[in-house]
Amino acid sequence: ETGVTQTPRHLVMGMTNKKSLKCEQHLGHNAMYWYKQSAKKPLELMFVYSLEERVENNSVPSRFSPECPNSSHLFLHLHTLQPEDSALYLCASSQAGGRSYGYTFGSGTRLTVV
Amino acid sequence: GDSVTQMEGPVTLSEEAFLTINCTYTATGYPSLFWYVQYPGEGLQLLLKATKADDKGSNKGFEATYRKETTSFHLEKGSVQVSDSAVYFCALSDTREKLTFGTGTRLTIIP
Repeated sequence: ETGVTQTPRHLVMGMTNKKSLKCEQHLGHNAMYWYKQSAKKPLELMFVYSLEERVENNSVPSRFSPECPNSSHLFLHLHTLQPEDSALYLCASSQAGGRSYGYTFGSGTRLTVV
Repeated sequence: GDSVTQMEGPVTLSEEAFLTINCTYTATGYPSLFWYVQYPGEGLQLLLKATKADDKGSNKGFEATYRKETTSFHLEKGSVQVSDSAVYFCALSDTREKLTFGTGTRLTIIP
C-alpha cells in the first residue's frame, strides 16, 4: 500500500463514454496532482490542487475535468476522449508549500480509448 | 523556466556493473533535487533526494550528490542487480507545488 490509491487500475472506454478516475491519499497531504504518462514522451503535469484549490491547469483539453472535493480525494472526469488520450494517468500528493518533500505517487490508471 | 536533462536510454548493464545515470538541471532559484524510480506496471517511487548544494542523497545502494557548480545530480550505484531494472527519473522542485521531471532513463540489468 503506497498511501496513494488509484482506481481503477485499468480502463477501456469508447470515445463517446463518460468515466471518472479516482485518487485517494491517506498521508495527510494537502496538495494533489494529475500527471499523464505516454509512451516515449515526458511526464506531463495536467492539474495541481493545493489546499483544495486548483492552482495550475496546463492547457489541458476540456474533455478532462478535475474535481477535488477534499484534501484526500481527487477525481479526473473523462468525456468524449480521443485515441491519443490513451496513456497511464498518475495521481500524486505532497505537502503544500514544501518544495523539498517530493511527491508520493499512486500506481496509475492505464487508460485505453477505443 | 526550469528544466531537467537526463542521459538518453536505454542503458543495458551486466549484473554487478557500476551504474551512472547523468542528470543536469536548469533552475532560477535553489531547487531541491530528486531521483524517482518506476518499476514495470507501477507508479513512480521516490528513490532519494537532496535539498541543498553538496548534500548527498542515498537509498538502496544508490547515491547522488547535489553539485551546484556543475548543476548536476548524477545517479550512481556500485553494483547493480537484476531487480534494479526500471525507469529512472531525475526531477527538481524550485517553486511550491511544482515538480519538473526529466524524460526518464530505462535501465535493464542482465544476469
